[in-house]
Amino acid sequence: QKEVEQNSGPLSVPEGAIASLNCTYSDRGSQSFFWYRQYSGKSPELIMFIYSNGDKEDGRFTAQLNKASQYVSLLIRDSQPSDSATYLCAVHSGGYNKLIFGAGTRLAVHP
Amino acid sequence: EPEVTQTPSHQVTQMGQEVILRCVPISNHLYFYWYRQILGQKVEFLVSFYNNEISEKSEIFDDQFSVERPDGSNFTLKIRSTKLEDSAMYFCASRISDEKLFFGSGTQLSVL
Repeated sequence: QKEVEQNSGPLSVPEGAIASLNCTYSDRGSQSFFWYRQYSGKSPELIMFIYSNGDKEDGRFTAQLNKASQYVSLLIRDSQPSDSATYLCAVHSGGYNKLIFGAGTRLAVHP
Repeated sequence: EPEVTQTPSHQVTQMGQEVILRCVPISNHLYFYWYRQILGQKVEFLVSFYNNEISEKSEIFDDQFSVERPDGSNFTLKIRSTKLEDSAMYFCASRISDEKLFFGSGTQLSVL
Protein backbone atom coordinates (compact mmCIF):
# COMPACT_ATOMS: atom_id res chain seq x y z
CA GLN A 1 0.00 0.00 0.00
CA LYS A 2 1.49 3.30 -1.09
CA GLU A 3 1.41 5.79 1.76
CA VAL A 4 1.94 9.47 2.33
CA GLU A 5 2.60 10.45 5.93
CA GLN A 6 2.23 13.84 7.56
CA ASN A 7 2.22 15.05 11.12
CA SER A 8 -1.39 15.97 11.87
CA GLY A 9 -0.47 18.95 14.01
CA PRO A 10 -1.68 21.43 14.89
CA LEU A 11 1.44 23.38 14.08
CA SER A 12 1.14 26.72 15.78
CA VAL A 13 3.36 29.61 14.66
CA PRO A 14 3.26 33.34 15.37
CA GLU A 15 2.44 35.77 12.60
CA GLY A 16 5.53 36.60 10.56
CA ALA A 17 7.36 33.38 11.41
CA ILE A 18 8.36 30.56 9.08
CA ALA A 19 6.08 27.53 9.10
CA SER A 20 7.70 24.23 8.14
CA LEU A 21 5.51 21.35 7.03
CA ASN A 22 6.86 17.88 6.33
CA CYS A 23 5.79 14.81 4.41
CA THR A 24 7.25 11.39 3.71
CA TYR A 25 6.13 8.94 1.05
CA SER A 26 6.62 5.23 0.57
CA ASP A 27 6.66 4.79 -3.22
CA ARG A 28 10.26 5.27 -4.32
CA GLY A 29 9.08 5.47 -7.93
CA SER A 30 7.02 8.61 -7.35
CA GLN A 31 8.06 11.51 -9.56
CA SER A 32 5.64 14.35 -8.85
CA PHE A 33 4.80 15.97 -5.55
CA PHE A 34 2.15 18.50 -4.66
CA TRP A 35 1.10 20.70 -1.78
CA TYR A 36 -2.55 21.60 -1.46
CA ARG A 37 -4.16 23.94 1.05
CA GLN A 38 -7.59 23.07 2.39
CA TYR A 39 -9.69 25.43 4.45
CA SER A 40 -12.30 23.82 6.66
CA GLY A 41 -15.25 22.59 4.60
CA LYS A 42 -13.63 23.61 1.32
CA SER A 43 -11.89 21.80 -1.51
CA PRO A 44 -8.12 21.32 -1.85
CA GLU A 45 -6.39 24.21 -3.58
CA LEU A 46 -3.08 23.63 -5.36
CA ILE A 47 -0.31 25.88 -4.05
CA MET A 48 2.95 24.21 -5.09
CA PHE A 49 4.30 21.33 -7.09
CA ILE A 50 7.83 19.98 -7.41
CA TYR A 51 9.36 17.32 -9.62
CA SER A 52 13.14 17.64 -9.08
CA ASN A 53 15.37 17.30 -6.04
CA GLY A 54 16.13 20.58 -4.35
CA ASP A 55 14.14 23.71 -3.65
CA LYS A 56 11.44 25.46 -5.62
CA GLU A 57 10.27 28.90 -4.58
CA ASP A 58 7.00 30.66 -5.39
CA GLY A 59 6.40 33.87 -3.48
CA ARG A 60 6.29 33.11 0.25
CA PHE A 61 6.25 29.36 -0.39
CA THR A 62 9.23 27.05 -0.88
CA ALA A 63 8.87 23.36 -1.63
CA GLN A 64 11.81 21.07 -0.93
CA LEU A 65 12.25 17.58 -2.29
CA ASN A 66 14.72 14.87 -1.35
CA LYS A 67 13.96 11.71 -3.32
CA ALA A 68 16.75 9.70 -1.66
CA SER A 69 15.11 10.29 1.73
CA GLN A 70 11.57 10.19 0.25
CA TYR A 71 10.86 13.49 1.90
CA VAL A 72 8.99 16.60 0.79
CA SER A 73 8.58 19.78 2.76
CA LEU A 74 6.83 23.12 2.45
CA LEU A 75 8.12 26.31 4.00
CA ILE A 76 5.83 29.29 4.39
CA ARG A 77 7.69 32.51 5.08
CA ASP A 78 6.13 35.53 6.79
CA SER A 79 3.16 33.42 7.89
CA GLN A 80 -0.17 35.22 8.03
CA PRO A 81 -3.36 34.35 9.92
CA SER A 82 -4.96 33.73 6.52
CA ASP A 83 -2.48 30.86 6.04
CA SER A 84 -4.25 28.98 8.83
CA ALA A 85 -5.54 25.86 7.10
CA THR A 86 -4.78 22.19 6.62
CA TYR A 87 -1.90 21.52 4.24
CA LEU A 88 -2.14 18.33 2.23
CA CYS A 89 0.87 16.62 0.73
CA ALA A 90 0.04 14.59 -2.39
CA VAL A 91 2.12 12.24 -4.48
CA HIS A 92 1.43 10.97 -7.97
CA SER A 93 1.06 7.25 -8.19
CA GLY A 94 0.43 4.69 -10.89
CA GLY A 95 1.70 6.25 -14.07
CA TYR A 96 0.70 9.81 -13.23
CA ASN A 97 -2.91 8.81 -13.11
CA LYS A 98 -3.96 9.62 -9.54
CA LEU A 99 -2.86 11.46 -6.42
CA ILE A 100 -2.32 9.81 -3.07
CA PHE A 101 -2.94 12.28 -0.26
CA GLY A 102 -1.56 12.49 3.22
CA ALA A 103 -3.93 13.18 6.09
CA GLY A 104 -2.75 16.79 6.23
CA THR A 105 -1.09 19.05 8.77
CA ARG A 106 -3.23 21.68 10.41
CA LEU A 107 -1.43 25.03 10.60
CA ALA A 108 -2.54 27.75 12.98
CA VAL A 109 -0.95 31.20 12.60
CA HIS A 110 -1.69 33.39 15.60
CA PRO A 111 -1.40 37.19 15.65
CA GLU B 1 -10.40 31.95 -14.15
CA PRO B 2 -11.80 28.59 -15.29
CA GLU B 3 -12.97 26.30 -12.55
CA VAL B 4 -14.47 22.89 -11.94
CA THR B 5 -18.15 23.24 -11.08
CA GLN B 6 -20.07 20.75 -8.94
CA THR B 7 -23.76 20.47 -8.20
CA PRO B 8 -25.49 20.19 -5.85
CA SER B 9 -23.36 21.56 -3.01
CA HIS B 10 -25.35 19.47 -0.53
CA GLN B 11 -27.33 16.29 -1.07
CA VAL B 12 -29.35 14.51 1.58
CA THR B 13 -30.71 11.07 0.76
CA GLN B 14 -32.18 8.03 2.41
CA MET B 15 -30.19 4.83 2.67
CA GLY B 16 -30.81 2.63 -0.36
CA GLN B 17 -31.65 5.52 -2.67
CA GLU B 18 -29.75 6.38 -5.83
CA VAL B 19 -27.87 9.65 -6.08
CA ILE B 20 -26.17 11.38 -8.99
CA LEU B 21 -23.47 13.93 -8.35
CA ARG B 22 -22.71 16.29 -11.20
CA CYS B 23 -19.56 18.01 -12.32
CA VAL B 24 -18.53 20.27 -15.16
CA PRO B 25 -14.75 20.00 -15.54
CA ILE B 26 -12.60 22.78 -16.97
CA SER B 27 -13.36 22.85 -20.69
CA ASN B 28 -9.98 21.93 -22.22
CA HIS B 29 -9.11 19.33 -19.61
CA LEU B 30 -8.72 15.72 -20.65
CA TYR B 31 -8.54 13.71 -17.43
CA PHE B 32 -11.36 13.56 -14.91
CA TYR B 33 -11.49 12.22 -11.39
CA TRP B 34 -13.72 11.67 -8.41
CA TYR B 35 -12.30 11.79 -4.90
CA ARG B 36 -14.06 11.68 -1.58
CA GLN B 37 -13.26 12.86 1.92
CA ILE B 38 -15.03 11.46 4.94
CA LEU B 39 -15.18 14.06 7.72
CA GLY B 40 -11.82 14.30 9.46
CA GLN B 41 -10.14 11.82 7.14
CA LYS B 42 -7.89 11.79 4.08
CA VAL B 43 -8.88 12.75 0.57
CA GLU B 44 -9.31 9.36 -1.13
CA PHE B 45 -9.13 8.52 -4.82
CA LEU B 46 -12.22 6.85 -6.26
CA VAL B 47 -11.89 6.77 -10.05
CA SER B 48 -10.14 8.32 -13.02
CA PHE B 49 -11.64 8.75 -16.49
CA TYR B 50 -9.92 9.44 -19.77
CA ASN B 51 -10.93 9.11 -23.40
CA ASN B 52 -14.47 8.14 -22.41
CA GLU B 53 -13.52 5.24 -20.23
CA ILE B 54 -12.41 4.46 -16.71
CA SER B 55 -8.60 4.36 -16.56
CA GLU B 56 -8.29 3.38 -12.92
CA LYS B 57 -10.52 2.79 -9.92
CA SER B 58 -9.95 2.19 -6.24
CA GLU B 59 -11.28 -0.57 -4.01
CA ILE B 60 -13.91 1.88 -2.79
CA PHE B 61 -15.35 2.17 -6.32
CA ASP B 62 -17.37 -1.05 -6.30
CA ASP B 63 -20.38 -2.11 -8.38
CA GLN B 64 -22.57 0.46 -6.63
CA PHE B 65 -20.61 3.28 -8.24
CA SER B 66 -20.54 4.36 -11.86
CA VAL B 67 -19.34 7.36 -13.83
CA GLU B 68 -20.43 8.88 -17.10
CA ARG B 69 -19.49 11.71 -19.39
CA PRO B 70 -22.74 11.86 -21.32
CA ASP B 71 -22.37 14.98 -23.41
CA GLY B 72 -18.76 16.14 -23.60
CA SER B 73 -19.09 18.64 -20.78
CA ASN B 74 -20.73 16.97 -17.78
CA PHE B 75 -19.08 14.26 -15.69
CA THR B 76 -21.32 12.39 -13.26
CA LEU B 77 -20.88 10.00 -10.36
CA LYS B 78 -23.80 7.71 -9.60
CA ILE B 79 -24.22 5.72 -6.43
CA ARG B 80 -26.96 3.16 -7.03
CA SER B 81 -27.95 2.20 -3.50
CA THR B 82 -26.45 4.51 -0.92
CA LYS B 83 -25.15 3.29 2.42
CA LEU B 84 -24.57 5.23 5.61
CA GLU B 85 -20.82 4.94 5.05
CA ASP B 86 -21.13 6.75 1.72
CA SER B 87 -21.65 9.97 3.63
CA ALA B 88 -18.72 12.18 2.67
CA MET B 89 -17.65 15.20 0.67
CA TYR B 90 -17.25 14.17 -2.95
CA PHE B 91 -14.82 16.15 -5.07
CA CYS B 92 -14.63 16.18 -8.83
CA ALA B 93 -11.25 17.08 -10.29
CA SER B 94 -9.76 17.54 -13.72
CA ARG B 95 -6.45 18.18 -15.39
CA ILE B 96 -5.11 18.89 -18.84
CA SER B 97 -2.09 16.79 -19.79
CA ASP B 98 0.28 17.77 -17.00
CA GLU B 99 -0.14 16.51 -13.46
CA LYS B 100 -1.66 19.61 -11.87
CA LEU B 101 -5.07 18.59 -10.61
CA PHE B 102 -7.82 21.13 -9.99
CA PHE B 103 -10.70 20.37 -7.68
CA GLY B 104 -14.31 21.46 -7.69
CA SER B 105 -15.93 22.87 -4.57
CA GLY B 106 -17.43 19.50 -3.66
CA THR B 107 -20.80 17.93 -2.93
CA GLN B 108 -21.51 17.09 0.69
CA LEU B 109 -23.50 13.83 0.63
CA SER B 110 -25.42 12.87 3.75
CA VAL B 111 -27.03 9.44 3.83
CA LEU B 112 -29.69 9.03 6.52
